[in-house]
Amino acid sequence: DVKVTQSSRYLVKRTGEKVFLECVQDMDHENMFWYRQDPGLGLRLIYFSYDVKMKEKGDIPEGYSVSREKKERFSLILESASTNQTSMYLCASSPGGRDTEAFFGQGTRLTVV
Amino acid sequence: GQNIDQPTEMTATEGAIVQINCTYQTSGFNGLFWYQQHAGEAPTFLSYNVLDGLEEKGRFSSFLSRSKGYSYLLLKELQMKDSASYLCAVRAPRSYIPTFGRGTSLIVHP
Repeated sequence: DVKVTQSSRYLVKRTGEKVFLECVQDMDHENMFWYRQDPGLGLRLIYFSYDVKMKEKGDIPEGYSVSREKKERFSLILESASTNQTSMYLCASSPGGRDTEAFFGQGTRLTVV
Repeated sequence: GQNIDQPTEMTATEGAIVQINCTYQTSGFNGLFWYQQHAGEAPTFLSYNVLDGLEEKGRFSSFLSRSKGYSYLLLKELQMKDSASYLCAVRAPRSYIPTFGRGTSLIVHP
């Protein structure tokens, strides 16, 4: 079974803190994604990586950065957390082929106070 | 850009059939996905359509019409455990990135 693991299920951080959300996949997938999910807004893409050290901005990259030093790991960084970044964060991965679906991690519920 | 529309909420009765629609206006098309997401859990893959027509997988079927920018997910013999959000996602050409609609919350009642 494909496994996408996010380091924390729940996280509470203070405004201004630097926050790291970690995601690891065990299926040697080329593509990895970070989404945030908010009620009424659905899943919105923050960043995408199609290879090690490669990244592309998604629809809402402001306030976030990412790191992909190894193929299996994709980290989302909140440089200075703010209350409007309180959300559910979902990591996903997919193989590089055409007819392939994305596999999601269990999500990290981040609350910024 | 991509614009994907789904109804916000639907209700149905256990044992019945429900159809969840998804319409999209996108700059190109490279496949449409349906995912199921139970409250507090990760989305899980249900179906993928890239050509027109109906794909059947047990109680679930998905239909695509590319000329109309339209898809639906059909759930038969509804069970209480089918209560969940159903997410439609479209992938653009030369892209591995699925763009998601806002999801349809399905409530199945006895």
